[in-house]
Amino acid sequence: GAGVSQTPSNKVTEKGKYVELRCDPISGHTALYWYRQSLGQGPEFLIYFQGTGAADDSGLPNDRFFAVRPEGSVSTLKIQRTERGDSAVYLCASSSISGRATGELFFGEGSRLTVL
Amino acid sequence: KQEVTQIPAALSVPEGENLVLNCSFTDSAIYNLQWFRQDPGKGLTSLLLIQSSQREQTSGRLNASLDKSSGRSTLYIAASQPGDSATYLCAVGDNDMRFGAGTRLTVKP
Repeated sequence: GAGVSQTPSNKVTEKGKYVELRCDPISGHTALYWYRQSLGQGPEFLIYFQGTGAADDSGLPNDRFFAVRPEGSVSTLKIQRTERGDSAVYLCASSSISGRATGELFFGEGSRLTVL
Repeated sequence: KQEVTQIPAALSVPEGENLVLNCSFTDSAIYNLQWFRQDPGKGLTSLLLIQSSQREQTSGRLNASLDKSSGRSTLYIAASQPGDSATYLCAVGDNDMRFGAGTRLTVKP
């Protein structure tokens, strides 16, 4: 597509529920990133995919968070047993270059998650 | 762990003024540094990317420099306009780009 697309743009859920957030990267971009941004803060790194595999998941806060990218394109961030502290904007980015020569990151508009 | 600091946290200037935003980082073994703009409630828009072999990049009224040895980058905005009002974020690293908290810029007409 023309840009990184994220759905839903807004998600309100209750504490303890399961949530999926979707990211559709720019066509042809092999690298995909998930970040989380709280109000007044910079984005916090969660996970990076190179193709289908998670090359670095060191930013995932705990085992309630999981992400997949089964065909090397669309990615889904999954959050189990949501907690109020998970409320944030979840940002996805993609890049055309992988490995150490990471290229320019292009971000989507984000998915705003609110856990009541 | 890489720590990224942006100073000042907020800046207000009159239209037409030239200004400098600062970004410092603790681990100089970075591969890329990228500056972004973020408007309220929006995603991040890429402004400039500086790769490790480069020292600066320019785009229109924007100029970004990188000094890896001192762990610093600056974003220079010439002849500021009200439309430049936004939060400016820098990110450093390679695959796991780390962000500062940003500088909130207000340009008054």
